[in-house]
Amino acid sequence: QVQLVQSGAEVKKPGASVKVSCKASGYTFTGYYMHWVRQAPGQGLEWMGWINPNSGGTNYAQKFQGWVTMTRDTSISTAYMELSRLRSDDTAVYYCARGVQLERLGYYYYYMDVWGKGTTVTVSS
Amino acid sequence: EIVLTQSPGTLSLSPGERATLSCRASQSVSSSYLAWYQQKPGQAPRLLIYGASSRATGIPDRFSGSGSGTDFTLTISRLEPEDFAVYYCQQYGSFRGFTFGPGTKVDIK
Repeated sequence: QVQLVQSGAEVKKPGASVKVSCKASGYTFTGYYMHWVRQAPGQGLEWMGWINPNSGGTNYAQKFQGWVTMTRDTSISTAYMELSRLRSDDTAVYYCARGVQLERLGYYYYYMDVWGKGTTVTVSS
Repeated sequence: EIVLTQSPGTLSLSPGERATLSCRASQSVSSSYLAWYQQKPGQAPRLLIYGASSRATGIPDRFSGSGSGTDFTLTISRLEPEDFAVYYCQQYGSFRGFTFGPGTKVDIK
C-alpha cells in the first residue's frame, strides 16, 4: 500500500538546521509531487512548498523562500526538507504529503492524498 | 494571495446530527482546486473531498462537499462518534501555491 515514512523526532538549538526525510513506498516516487506542511502546537496547517521528484523542481511558499530547501533522492524514493536558521517558533510537526495533479475532462485537480505521520521538531536552547 | 476563512470556528453537535461547515475564499477559486481534510488529535490530516465535491477513496457517503466561486461547504449528514475532529479546507491558487483555512473543530455537545 502507499506509505510515507518520516524520520524521527528532532531537538535543535536556535540557529541550527534540521533535515527531515520522507521515504515513499507502494507507488512510483517520480510520478507524484511531494508537499511539506507544518503544524505548530495547537495551530492549523501551513503549506511550506513542494518538490517534483521527477525533475527536482521546487516551489516554496513565499514565507519560506531562502530558508527552506527541498530535495530528493530517487534511488531510494526519499524526499527531504531542510529548514535553516531555526527559531523557537519553528517548533512544529512537519508532514510530507503526496501531491496529486489530476486532469479529468479538461479540469485540473490539485490535492494531497497520502500523508506521513509527521516529524516533531523542537527548537529550544 | 487567496485567503480562506472557515466558519464557525467550533461546532458543537450531538451524534446523529447534521454538520454544515463553511469555507470562504477572498477571491474566486476554481472548484477543482478546493479540497477538504479531516484531522484527529495526534494524527496526520486525511483527505476527504477533492474538486469541491468528489469523495476520496474510502470516505463514507455521509460526507459531501459543494460550492463554487468563493463559497464552499462540507456537510456531514449524520455525525458518527469518529467524525468529531478538526476540518480544514485547502485551495491551490496563485503562484502554484497552496493555502489552508484555519479549520473548524466539530466537538461533542
